[in-house]
Amino acid sequence: EIVMTQSPVTLSVSPGERATLSCRASQSVSSSLAWYQHRPGQAPRLLIYGASTRATGIPARFSGSGSGTEFTLTISSLQSEDFAVYYCQQYNNWPKTFGQGTKVEIK
Amino acid sequence: EVQLVESGGGLVQPGGSLRLSCAASGFTFSNYWMHWVRQVPGKGLVWVSRINNDGSSTSYADSVRGRYTISRDNAKNTLYLQLNSLRAEDTAVYYCARDSSGYYYNWGQGTLVTVSA
Repeated sequence: EIVMTQSPVTLSVSPGERATLSCRASQSVSSSLAWYQHRPGQAPRLLIYGASTRATGIPARFSGSGSGTEFTLTISSLQSEDFAVYYCQQYNNWPKTFGQGTKVEIK
Repeated sequence: EVQLVESGGGLVQPGGSLRLSCAASGFTFSNYWMHWVRQVPGKGLVWVSRINNDGSSTSYADSVRGRYTISRDNAKNTLYLQLNSLRAEDTAVYYCARDSSGYYYNWGQGTLVTVSA
């Protein structure tokens, strides 16, 4: 099973600032990497797939990069609605596995 | 608009059973693989099970294999998860999700299963 490790666990950021979230895979997952946003009590929301492709309707301030084992999600200028937990997920191998999440909180 | 609406969660005693449902709308349900993913309170997301578009193929996480059964009724646009021999560690919010080339394009809001005496 591929282990996905996200860092940091918690990221404190002021509105308008940039946030950089990391995700590392225990072995290569090529570009089969997705990012999700999860607000409490809501359905998780797909942000990025294929490591760098934004899903439909996702604002351009969200961008993804990386391949192999190292991936990054960048939120260029945090808005109030962006404070949430973010998960990466690899879908290159079964079982599909998620990282433990990074909570982006208001500084 | 794609909608996935889970139901069927609740409080059940250890060793008990529940059947979760996920009603799908806004897309051609029979064209898509579907999944169940769960989240233990305060923890991350964990894949539980998947079923292919016509229901002929299923797979399960090791932690639930032999106790859970995934199924679907394409005529009713509904996905199911039968949970048997429930344990305290099965307490979680259960989400259904639509597969799109391996990642999950749409998710439901989830249904809470609590296993407790």
